[in-house]
Amino acid sequence: EVQLVESGGGLVQPGGSLRLSCAASGFTFSTYWMSWVRQAPGKGLEWVANIKEDGSGKYYVDSVQGRFTISRDNVKNLLFLQMNSLRAEDTAVYYCARLRLGYCVSGSCSGWFDPWGQGTLVTVSS
Amino acid sequence: DIQMTQSPSSLSASVGDRVIITCRASQSISSYLDWYQQKPGKAPKLLIYVTSNLQSGVPSRFSGSGSGTEFTLTISSLQPEDFATYYCQQCYSTPITFGGGTKVEIK
Repeated sequence: EVQLVESGGGLVQPGGSLRLSCAASGFTFSTYWMSWVRQAPGKGLEWVANIKEDGSGKYYVDSVQGRFTISRDNVKNLLFLQMNSLRAEDTAVYYCARLRLGYCVSGSCSGWFDPWGQGTLVTVSS
Repeated sequence: DIQMTQSPSSLSASVGDRVIITCRASQSISSYLDWYQQKPGKAPKLLIYVTSNLQSGVPSRFSGSGSGTEFTLTISSLQPEDFATYYCQQCYSTPITFGGGTKVEIK
């Protein structure tokens, strides 16, 4: 069974840092792009970041560029999201998801997300 | 960035009703449009990818159509387990963007 399990969420003060992890199982992790998607409380879905199969390409939404870093360990089948300089507006449930490739331009690919993890809540508050 | 607009934002329907949700893109995305279902407290679930491809295990009462900038998700006969929020998403370019969601409630 394909499974994604996130961990690492919690309460952090504005300006603080947090590292999320996502453990993948049931598929060949190293052959898939992976993503993070977030959902603020009571709000819609927002794509955060993508990473290529080998980690050589990383793509971010503008609002987190320079503050968040997506990475992966293809030996341990782990996906990470390092979040620095956190703001109140980063408060959300963070989902990891496997990216199925749609349209690609100049190495950057979009796609659809399947499956998703159960999510981990990040709360940024003093 | 490509803006995705869903309508309606919410609707009330009865079991057995035919339900149609519309999604419009701010520019052409060819057929690169996906649909998700989300129930309260749960992660989204992929229903349809690239306009009309039904994800494995998704009931055939769900269907998708459209191209360019206008797309629809149709539930042919609403079932009790279909009451949820539905999101469209363009997979044509980054940043990947979602519609604002359509909440389907029991009438």
